[in-house]
Formats: sequence, C-alpha cells, structure tokens
Amino acid sequence: ETGVTQSPTHLIKTRGQQVTLRCSSQSGHNTVSWYQQALGQGPQFIFQYYREEENGRGNFPPRFSGLQFPNYSSELNVNALELDDSALYLCASRFGRETYNEQFFGPGTRLTVL
Amino acid sequence: GNSVTQMEGPVTLSEEAFLTINCTYTATGYPSLFWYVQYPGEGLQLLLKATKADDKGSNKGFEATYRKETTSFHLEKGSVQVSDSAVYFCALSDQGTGFQKLVFGTGTRLLVSP
Repeated sequence: ETGVTQSPTHLIKTRGQQVTLRCSSQSGHNTVSWYQQALGQGPQFIFQYYREEENGRGNFPPRFSGLQFPNYSSELNVNALELDDSALYLCASRFGRETYNEQFFGPGTRLTVL
Repeated sequence: GNSVTQMEGPVTLSEEAFLTINCTYTATGYPSLFWYVQYPGEGLQLLLKATKADDKGSNKGFEATYRKETTSFHLEKGSVQVSDSAVYFCALSDQGTGFQKLVFGTGTRLLVSP
C-alpha cells in the first residue's frame, strides 16, 4: 500500500510568482486536507477537499486555492506569492470527512519565497 | 476559537529518563485529542489519540489521558530512547460546518542523548 506522496520536495520561488504543489493520497482515501507549517510552528489548516469539492477552509486568503481529481489526488495553488508563504506544506489524506478516521500525512513540500 | 498550548522546548533528556510533555486545550464541546510526532525531514505521524474524557491513548510506550476537568492531554513515557528524538505536536479536532480539521500546538522538540 502506497502512502501519501507529495511533489516536489523543495521549491524556490520569488515574490509575485505562482506555485502548484501536488499530493497523491493513500489508496482508498477520498478526503484530502492541506496544512501550512511555518518554521517553528504547528501546522495550520488551509482547506479540505472531499470527493472533488472544497468543503472546509481555514483563515487563508483566496489566492490559496486547490483542486481534487477523480482519483482523489490533489493540488494546492498559491498565487501572488509573499515572503510569509515560505513554509512546509503538508498534505493529509483519510477516508471520510471525520477526523476520528486517522489522517495520514505526506512528507511535505518545502517552499521558499525570495 | 479552539486552541492548544504546549510546553516550550527543547526538552533535553538522557536515555531511559522519564518524559512528560504538557498539553492543555481550549475548546467548546468535546473534541478528540491527538499526539503527532515529526521526525527530521518527515511528515507527521499519528502517535496516539483519545476520543472522550478519561480515555487513555497509548502507543510505543507513550501514553496520554484525556482529562476534561483540567483540559489537559499530557504525553508521558517511562523510559525514552535516542530514537524518540523528534518534534511532538498535540492537536484537537475542531468541528467546522460539514468538515473537521485538526488544530495543532506549536510543537515540543525532544532531544535524547545516550
């Protein structure tokens, strides 16, 4: 059974650019959540996708957007990058929308904005 | 809103010492509580969880008890190993409209020396 994978591992962008991060969920999982983890902080919830629709969002501006595909893989897109967007972006997948179903996290994508 | 507070690190211990990492929470209702561990360069792994008051979660020698009266979920281990060196995150489940998310503390780094 393949776990949650994310690509790329590392990414360097400049202010104002756009970035797309990718996540392949674990087999059988239909819910994907994205989290932003700034250096020295805990992860912050960005949004959740369930069956290809966004059904929950944290305190992030609209320039953070996403997609979930029929195979339940997902993308996180960030437009107009700012220096504060530098962080580790974590994807987590699970079956169903409830958090009592264990979430499995990927290794993350480290984004650096210069 | 719901929040989690963890003791600041790093916590530095010698091998075989007793470990306590304090975690308290603020929440409406009765969230599920979790401890996640993050090893260097990796994503988050669920260590243990408790879904209701007085439940004890345990795994790999770690344990934590859901204390509603003190709103706490302290992590303990009787004898730590060098391989336990990692960052530990306390988290709770937060109910949104039609979705649930995890709210994390800021993490506590544990360093175990031989």
